[in-house]
Amino acid sequence: SYELTQPPSVSVSPGQTASITCSGDKLENKYASWYQQKPGQSPVLVIYQDNKRPSGIPERFSGSNSGNTATLTISGTQAMDEADYYCQAWDSSTAHVVFGGGTKLTVL
Amino acid sequence: QVQLQESGPGLVKPSQTLSLTCTVSGGSISSGSYYWSWIRQPAGKGLEWIGHIYTSGSTNYNPSLKSRVTISVDTSKNQFSLKLSSVTAADTAIYYCARGSRYCSGGGCFPNWFDPWGQGTLVTV
Repeated sequence: SYELTQPPSVSVSPGQTASITCSGDKLENKYASWYQQKPGQSPVLVIYQDNKRPSGIPERFSGSNSGNTATLTISGTQAMDEADYYCQAWDSSTAHVVFGGGTKLTVL
Repeated sequence: QVQLQESGPGLVKPSQTLSLTCTVSGGSISSGSYYWSWIRQPAGKGLEWIGHIYTSGSTNYNPSLKSRVTISVDTSKNQFSLKLSSVTAADTAIYYCARGSRYCSGGGCFPNWFDPWGQGTLVTV
């Protein structure tokens, strides 16, 4: 079955750029979405179709997808961005949704 | 603005059937091209897609749960439901309902992203 792999944790200083990766076989051939989940809250969509931002999501959130890796980039990271982040894609070979294991972003 | 709200028992006994309902407000569950989906999250763990029902009524389930899952829709109540049979402690999780937006390519149509999500409901087995 198709797997998406994320680093368990990423740390960043306030104001710096955070990059969270999501790896999967030929991931560039699929669309990647990203979700932010803060403690005790539901996931929130922050990036869809690799690099599109839903309305209301700050411009500091951006995404890319190339080769086997999709990347969520947070520029000028703020304390409020501290959360778990999950990538997601559709596996056409098995016809089901796949989520990455999640990355805990810590803003030090 | 579409909103989703899960409801159902918070405690289910082992071997019994878990039943949850998601009520959609702010829009019709019958309109548009959406996959009405269930996703769960065990405490401290990641997200697991359970399955979905499309606006047309067709369903698709996670292969690992397929033998135990049924998702249905009640358009008159603007709700869709999840039934998971023969539950064990491993099914203890927060269960979310979410709306999947449809995308079609040469390989077919599928839920491309999920937005919005319900607030989630904890089910303990």
